[in-house]
Amino acid sequence: GQNIDQPTEMTATEGAIVQINCTYQTSGFNGLFWYQQHAGEAPTFLSYNVLDGLEEKGRFSSFLSRSKGYSYLLLKELQMKDSASYLCAVLDSNYQLIWGAGTKLIIKP
Amino acid sequence: SQTIHQWPATLVQPVGSPLSLECTVEGTSNPNLYWYRQAAGRGLQLLFYSVGIGQISSEVPQNLSASRPQDRQFILSSKKLLLSDSGFYLCARTARGGSPSYGYTFGSGTRLTVV
Repeated sequence: GQNIDQPTEMTATEGAIVQINCTYQTSGFNGLFWYQQHAGEAPTFLSYNVLDGLEEKGRFSSFLSRSKGYSYLLLKELQMKDSASYLCAVLDSNYQLIWGAGTKLIIKP
Repeated sequence: SQTIHQWPATLVQPVGSPLSLECTVEGTSNPNLYWYRQAAGRGLQLLFYSVGIGQISSEVPQNLSASRPQDRQFILSSKKLLLSDSGFYLCARTARGGSPSYGYTFGSGTRLTVV
């Protein structure tokens, strides 16, 4: 079966750094996405990784290791507005997105 | 613009009543369109997807159905709602070029409560 695992909830302090991990087992791999979803709202695109390594985009970075079936999203200089759920999703061999259940990130002042 | 219009934003329906949720999209023609459902605190569950007019693939057998009467219109329906149909329904499209590799754009969602 296809499976994506990420922690259910994490807590971090404003101004700090947090790393949200995602491990996956899927039928094929055509890329991995990270989305941000604020409560009651639709998900918004953060990043896409298809090759191994780190992609940096402002305060957010995403890392991928295909051999390990592993990715992480790194958020720096945390702000209160970063409180949201972060969804990991993998594009499988049929180009269908397989979604993780999401990690709820709570930022404390 | 790859905007998706989805309505209504919230809906409260009694058990056994019908349902019709509509999604219309702007931007490049012939997009791949998707209907997802998200239960409270859960991940996104793919319900239906469409690669063209009249072409619907169902991922989860249940009392819901979908139709795509026009290139930019995607409709989710039910003849008789169940309590378990409650959730947050999201319409999505591939962002550009038709390839999922560019990511999905989501509509603002419909929060359905079946009572």
